[in-house]
Amino acid sequence: GQNIDQPTEMTATEGAIVQINCTYQTSGFNGLFWYQQHAGEAPTFLSYNVLDGLEEKGRFSSFLSRSKGYSYLLLKELQMKDSASYLCAVRDSNYQLIWGAGTKLIIKP
Amino acid sequence: ETGVTQTPRHLVMGMTNKKSLKCEQHLGHNAMYWYKQSAKKPLELMFVYSLEERVENNSVPSRFSPECPNSSHLFLHLHTLQPEDSALYLCASSQARGGSETQYFGPGTRLLVL
Repeated sequence: GQNIDQPTEMTATEGAIVQINCTYQTSGFNGLFWYQQHAGEAPTFLSYNVLDGLEEKGRFSSFLSRSKGYSYLLLKELQMKDSASYLCAVRDSNYQLIWGAGTKLIIKP
Repeated sequence: ETGVTQTPRHLVMGMTNKKSLKCEQHLGHNAMYWYKQSAKKPLELMFVYSLEERVENNSVPSRFSPECPNSSHLFLHLHTLQPEDSALYLCASSQARGGSETQYFGPGTRLLVL
């Protein structure tokens, strides 16, 4: 079956750096997405990786290794507003999005 | 209005009620989606419409009935729901089905079935 694994919860300190990992086993691969979801709100798009390597976008970066079935989202200079759930999703060979259960990130002062 | 909107934001219904959820997208997209989000579980894709035609139905119970009258509007009709159907129902849209286009989500309807 298809599966996306990411940690359930992580805690980090304001101003620090945190890395949220995502591993996947899917039927084919056509891109990996990261979304941010604040409690009670819509998921919002953060990043998209389809080729190996690092994509940087301000304080957020996303890395992909297709051979390892692995991605991470790196958040730098953490702010309290970064407290949210981070969802990893992989598009399979049928172009269907397979979602992880999300990682709840708690930022402490 | 911009983006993807959903109404109502909150809904409480009994198991014998009939209600409808509404989604509207203002992004010019041609694909729309219904998802169910339960606590600590992955998003579950329920229905997909591409160019107003249903292209996917992931074994969703018949008590959920989608309707897509045009590319900007999507409804989810609910009747005789069960308490386990209580969840956040998210609508999303994208530019194309099968491409690399990103899905954009509405704020969701928080549904409680008593």
